[in-house]
Amino acid sequence: DTGVSQDPRHKITKRGQNVTFRCDPISEHNRLYWYRQTLGQGPEFLTYFQNEAQLEKSRLLSDRFSAERPKGSFSTLEIQRTEQGDSAMYLCASSPNTGGFGDTQYFGPGTRLTVL
Amino acid sequence: SQKIEQNSEALNIQEGKTATLTCNYTNYSPAYLQWYRQDPGRGPVFLLLIRENEKEKRKERLKVTFDTTLKQSLFHITASQPADSATYLCALPGNTGGFKTIFGAGTRLFVKA
Repeated sequence: DTGVSQDPRHKITKRGQNVTFRCDPISEHNRLYWYRQTLGQGPEFLTYFQNEAQLEKSRLLSDRFSAERPKGSFSTLEIQRTEQGDSAMYLCASSPNTGGFGDTQYFGPGTRLTVL
Repeated sequence: SQKIEQNSEALNIQEGKTATLTCNYTNYSPAYLQWYRQDPGRGPVFLLLIRENEKEKRKERLKVTFDTTLKQSLFHITASQPADSATYLCALPGNTGGFKTIFGAGTRLFVKA
């Protein structure tokens, strides 16, 4: 169990460019989540997957954001035509399908995006 | 819509004292509530989960209470240590029936030696 990993850890881009982030969850974890976090705020839900199916997507998410999880393993989050307001920490988390109650999430270290 | 409120001001306490953090929520009756710890520049780490039918849950020096009537959870750290300094996040399941999770803004705790 090597934990949730995210790549890259830091990304600086110019406004209008596209960026893609990768998340590798803990192996055999069925659920995978993406969050966005800005300074002084808690993680803000973006979307989550159950295996390869994207089950819920925040209404706050514009059409510029898209996420995939092919084959139910790693996931990618793409932001098209980045804006300065997209600057934030993007967190990925995974959780096992234990059949139990509640959903303990294991977070990665995050990708810090800066849009100039 | 669901709202979670945590003390926005930082909590400063002396080492050895008990820290108490508050989480209030509105417009929802969650089946459970979670607490996470987050250190600067790192992802949150799960601490405790308490169900709606549990009044109290303990784990080592941590204690969580859940009052569904007041719509409030209290998070206690007894015999606090400087290493406990971090931001503590309250989290609730979304009200959409799936696994969406809503986090509060967190409370920053500073424990002075």
